[in-house]
Amino acid sequence: DIQMTQSPSFLSASVGDRVTINCKASQNINRYLNWYQQKLGEAPKLLIYNANSLQTGIPSRFSGSGSGTDFTLTISSLQPEDVATYFCLQHNSWPYTFGAGTKLELK
Amino acid sequence: QVQLKETGPGLVQPTQTLSITCTVSGFSLTSYYMQWVRQTPGKGLEWMGFIRSGGSTEYNSEFKSRLSISRDTSKNQVFLKMNSLKTEDTGVYYCAREGRGGFDYWGQGVMVTVSS
Repeated sequence: DIQMTQSPSFLSASVGDRVTINCKASQNINRYLNWYQQKLGEAPKLLIYNANSLQTGIPSRFSGSGSGTDFTLTISSLQPEDVATYFCLQHNSWPYTFGAGTKLELK
Repeated sequence: QVQLKETGPGLVQPTQTLSITCTVSGFSLTSYYMQWVRQTPGKGLEWMGFIRSGGSTEYNSEFKSRLSISRDTSKNQVFLKMNSLKTEDTGVYYCAREGRGGFDYWGQGVMVTVSS
């Protein structure tokens, strides 16, 4: 199985900060990496699909990069509504696997 | 708009069978794969399996021996059944639609507690 190592587990940042979250795959997953935002009690929301494609309706401050084994989610200017848990998903091969999540809080 | 909603029993006794229904709207089950994912305290997010638009299924080998996914397209419903439940199966169970870029819409999830 492909292991997804996500870092950091916790992140505290101020409004306006640039924030980066990383996922590293244990083997090549090409660009089949998605990023999700999950707020308490809500359905996970797709932010970025296939490494760098912004899902419709998602603010442009969210971006994704990477290919192969190393991927990054960037929030260019943190907003209060971005407080949430973020996780990655590899959908290159079965079993699909997830990162452990990053809890993002406001400083 | 696209909506997914899981419904389930809430509490299940160990060794019993879990049954969860995912009711969808805004799209056709014959056009999309439907996925099941769970989130447990012990293992985090785990992919469980899916049913293809044509009705065939694939399962994570972790669950293969006790998991079944099916659907009723006339009712826009997808079903998850898992038997021989253990306390470690306690968690939130999600259904999700697989679009062109992976899992694009998810339900809110249903909390399942396995306890006697």
